[in-house]
Amino acid sequence: GAVVSQHPSWVICKSGTSVKIECRSLDFQATTMFWYRQFPKQSLMLMATSNEGSKATYEQGVEKDKFLINHASLTLSTLTVTSAHPEDSSFYICSARKGARRLAGELYNEQFFGPGTRLTVL
Amino acid sequence: AQSVSQHNHHVILSEAASLELGCNYSYGGTVNLFWYVQYPGQHLQLLLKYFSGDPLVKGIKGFEAEFIKSKFSFNLRKPSVQWSDTAEYFCAVNTFGDDKIIFGKGTRLHILP
Repeated sequence: GAVVSQHPSWVICKSGTSVKIECRSLDFQATTMFWYRQFPKQSLMLMATSNEGSKATYEQGVEKDKFLINHASLTLSTLTVTSAHPEDSSFYICSARKGARRLAGELYNEQFFGPGTRLTVL
Repeated sequence: AQSVSQHNHHVILSEAASLELGCNYSYGGTVNLFWYVQYPGQHLQLLLKYFSGDPLVKGIKGFEAEFIKSKFSFNLRKPSVQWSDTAEYFCAVNTFGDDKIIFGKGTRLHILP
């Protein structure tokens, strides 16, 4: 299988504090992990792509100083929401790519998703 | 930039009805296509995927999707839905050589018992 876990599953914090969310691939190595944000009743919005050992690539409109991403090992990526405010309250989901492989000349990319972390900032 | 459109935001069906959820993408090159499902209170799960070969793809729980390249479509189908299919369904696309998966806005499916 390909299992991705996130910790914590939910967190409540005061405005102005920082919150760290962990994403782990439990039974495979993930050179690339992704962080998404999901607003209520909306789709997943890609925030950033995280490659092991290098700086994350942020999507347009996502503040890199606000959402710090670290991918220190092949099984762990962390997202730190710094100086959180109520508008940062959301559902944060990570995914991990098991590894692209060339099949019949095509690159195959499947991501496995974590269960998500619900952040509530008071 | 590539994008994914899901035509139906909210679908309500009775059990045993047939289902078709529309999905179109905008990208002229080689794509990988996915349908994900998110059951209430649970995380995203892959229903099925297309990356090459037979354009008619069969997934879990009786779902299938057909890739029609000329129409840039990847519609999801199920001949007879069950109450347990109540969930949100996301179509997603990944383009050749790109890590990112782009999601559609999702379709909320509600099955009446």
